[in-house]
Amino acid sequence: QVQLQESGPGLVRPTGTLSLTCTVAGDSIVNSAWWSWVRQPPEKGLEWIGEIFHNGSTNYNPSLKSRLTISIDKPTKEFSLNLKSMTAADSGVYYCARGPEQLAALDCWGQGIQVTVSS
Amino acid sequence: DIQMTQVPSSLSASVGDRVTITCRASHSFNIYLNWYQHKPGIAPKLLIFATSTLETGVPSRFSGSGSGTVFNLTIFSLHPDDFATYYCQQTSTSPPTFGQGTKVE
Repeated sequence: QVQLQESGPGLVRPTGTLSLTCTVAGDSIVNSAWWSWVRQPPEKGLEWIGEIFHNGSTNYNPSLKSRLTISIDKPTKEFSLNLKSMTAADSGVYYCARGPEQLAALDCWGQGIQVTVSS
Repeated sequence: DIQMTQVPSSLSASVGDRVTITCRASHSFNIYLNWYQHKPGIAPKLLIFATSTLETGVPSRFSGSGSGTVFNLTIFSLHPDDFATYYCQQTSTSPPTFGQGTKVE
């Protein structure tokens, strides 16, 4: 059974860069799945951030594209998110998730990691 | 982007009740409408994909329907475990977008 686990800092300074990693267990990261990031600001709904395929192909939310990089490390079965120029509006819970194909429903999610942007 | 609007934003229900949540899209699209259940501190769970297909292991009391710009999630008989927030999501066009959520309490 596939399990996803987010890791990274819980606190980021304004103008800084958020770096999160998602570790995949119980599944190959080199298959037909696309690996995604989703976030939830406080008291708001879910926002799709972007996704990556094992060959490095990516799809990004246009609203974040200028600040966003998603990468994948196949040997360690990890994929990562880097979001630069962080502001308070980027605070929230960040989830990693799996989609069985490109731009698909997300059938497995991590528990989420709380990220706060504050000085 | 396709904007997804859920109604109601919250509802009060009792065990055994039939509950229907509606998701309206700003633009008409095909069948790629998904529903998730989310409880605090727990990973969101996919319930239904492609408008009406139940994810493996999801109880049959959950049902999805709709087309065009209006989609529904129905829980035929609410169980104690069903008190949660439910989100719709379209994956028909990029970027995928979610509704703002419906809290069932």
